Amino acid sequence: DIQMTQSPSSLSASVGDTVTITCRASQGIRKDLGWYQQQPGKAPKRLIYGASTLQRGVPSRFSGSGAGTEFTLTISSLQPEDFATYYCLQQTGYPPWTFGQGTKVEIK
Amino acid sequence: QVQLVQSGTEVKKPGASVKVSCKASGYTFTGYYMHWVRQAPGQGLEWMGWINPNSGGTSYAQKFQGRVTMTRDTSTSTAYLELSRLRSDDTAVYYCASIDNDSSIDFDYWGQGTLVSVSS
Repeated sequence: DIQMTQSPSSLSASVGDTVTITCRASQGIRKDLGWYQQQPGKAPKRLIYGASTLQRGVPSRFSGSGAGTEFTLTISSLQPEDFATYYCLQQTGYPPWTFGQGTKVEIK
Repeated sequence: QVQLVQSGTEVKKPGASVKVSCKASGYTFTGYYMHWVRQAPGQGLEWMGWINPNSGGTSYAQKFQGRVTMTRDTSTSTAYLELSRLRSDDTAVYYCASIDNDSSIDFDYWGQGTLVSVSS
């Protein structure tokens, strides 16, 4: 099975900061990766698919990059509503799919 | 608009089974795989498996093999997750999610979640 190692597990940042979250796959997954945001008590919401394509309606301050085994999610100019937990999900055609462990973005 | 509406909270005893439903509307139910994901209290997301609503074919995470069954009823556009031999560590919120298995396709919708609580 493909393992996803996400880092950091948590971070503190201020409104206006730029933050970067990384996911590393245990083997190449091309660009078969999505990034999700989860607010407490809510279902996850996808921000990025295909590693770098912004989901419709998602603000452009979110961006994704990477291919193969290294992926990043960058949030530019952090807004109050961005404080949440973020997960990567590898979606290779061969199951199982696997999530990263999550990154909690907290207010400094 | 696309909606996935799940059944309500379940309280079960260890060893019992639970069946959670997920009714889809607003899109072609048979056109997209239905995935099931769970989240234990205070923990991360865990992918459980998927069902192809068109063929009924399934793929389960190895962890759940032998205990999980995913089915669907195309006449009512409803997907089901059944988990047997429940343990206390199965206590979690269970989500259905209709996601295109082609990662380059913009189709990703989630249900509201169903809390399953397992306690003696």
